[in-house]
Amino acid sequence: SQQGEEDPQALSIQEGENATMNCSYKTSINNLQWYRQNSGRGLVHLILIRSNEREKHSGRLRVTLDTSKKSSSLLITASRAADTASYFCATDGHPGGGADGLTFGKGTHLIIQP
Amino acid sequence: KAGVTQTPRYLIKTRGQQVTLSCSPISGHRSVSWYQQTPGQGLQFLFEYFSETQRNKGNFPGRFSGRQFSNSRSEMNVSTLELGDSALYLCASSGLISMNTEAFFGQGTRLTVV
Repeated sequence: SQQGEEDPQALSIQEGENATMNCSYKTSINNLQWYRQNSGRGLVHLILIRSNEREKHSGRLRVTLDTSKKSSSLLITASRAADTASYFCATDGHPGGGADGLTFGKGTHLIIQP
Repeated sequence: KAGVTQTPRYLIKTRGQQVTLSCSPISGHRSVSWYQQTPGQGLQFLFEYFSETQRNKGNFPGRFSGRQFSNSRSEMNVSTLELGDSALYLCASSGLISMNTEAFFGQGTRLTVV
């Protein structure tokens, strides 16, 4: 079952604008990760934030985590056409409890208009 | 260093047949996980192997099985293929004992069952 739920499902913005995607999850976690997927290919790891962290930066990426609300956001600043992809959040918790691989949301499809 | 390699990249099989997919993890990585991605269900965890032992298993029928060899390479097998098994199968490797870390994904094997 899907634990993470990304919002919005699709997002289209102009190149140079900022893109914000949100993720909600249901159970307690050790960490939350964001991945990017281009056109049905493999996933590329973007950033990992641990449950005791509130914010993390990596280049043009900024991730926040609010464990009280069980939510995370991914901000991509100064977007580029190459950022067009699907973005997934993944958690290491499982609704049934226990380690059970990464649980992915359904993703946000981001389109950057040149 | 070389990334995660999955073979073959594309596969077409007939209902009722069986299929074996292969994954070579990043050198030195001992954890290999498998995921199924479909438009309807998204990314779902199949199973994870560590040091030749299945450590975790997702909620899939027994037709889905896997194994890991002493060199950490992994194979997954699907028997008695059904149309619904058509999907992108992704393999991920991780360098640490814990699942709570970054996973490196291969490009996937796209399986079509006709």
